[in-house]
Amino acid sequence: EVQLVESGGGLVQPGGSLRLSCAASGFTFSSYWMQWVRQAPGKGLVWVSRTNSDGSNTIYADSVKGRFTISRDNAKNTLYLQMNSLRAEDTAVYYCARPRLGGSYLYALDIWGQGTMVTVSS
Amino acid sequence: DIVMTQSPDSLAVSLGERATINCKSSQSVLYSSKNKNYLAWYQQKPGQPPKLLIYWASTRESGVPDRFNGSGSGTDFTLTISSLQAEDVAVYYCQQFYSTPPTFGQGTKVEIK
Repeated sequence: EVQLVESGGGLVQPGGSLRLSCAASGFTFSSYWMQWVRQAPGKGLVWVSRTNSDGSNTIYADSVKGRFTISRDNAKNTLYLQMNSLRAEDTAVYYCARPRLGGSYLYALDIWGQGTMVTVSS
Repeated sequence: DIVMTQSPDSLAVSLGERATINCKSSQSVLYSSKNKNYLAWYQQKPGQPPKLLIYWASTRESGVPDRFNGSGSGTDFTLTISSLQAEDVAVYYCQQFYSTPPTFGQGTKVEIK
């Protein structure tokens, strides 16, 4: 079964850090560009970041640029999101997601994890 | 950034009736050389991640019931649920993946009247 499972969320104080993980299974993880999308409580979906298949090309939303780092370990079939200098407005469910086809980001997202909740509060 | 605007924000439809959701992009998402609109529709039920329904604006994802149909091109798109079922109660989002950052509409909540 094709699956993405996120972990690492929790409660953190403003200015703190968290590292999210997304474990992939059931497909050739190293062939796919991967993305993070977040959703604040009661709000819509917002794209956060993506990385290419080998991690050499990364891009970020302006709202997280300089604070978040996306990376991957293809040997472990795992995607990461290192989040530093966290703010209250980063509070959200964070989803990792896979595009329909490998080799590019120019596809709709057909596989999503269940999400992990990040709460930034003192 | 391309702004995606959905209308309405919510709608209530009787069981078995048609539901229509519109999505407008601030610039064209048609990749002319490939003749494809880089536009997707997702369904999200409470407590669940989004589920892909439609890609390339009108191609139904495998396993999606044929009562879900996508149409449109360029900047104007529509998701139609031809005969609303109870299990279709959800929030629906359009998304463009034509340019970075990929952007989503604000969502349309569909309920039973």
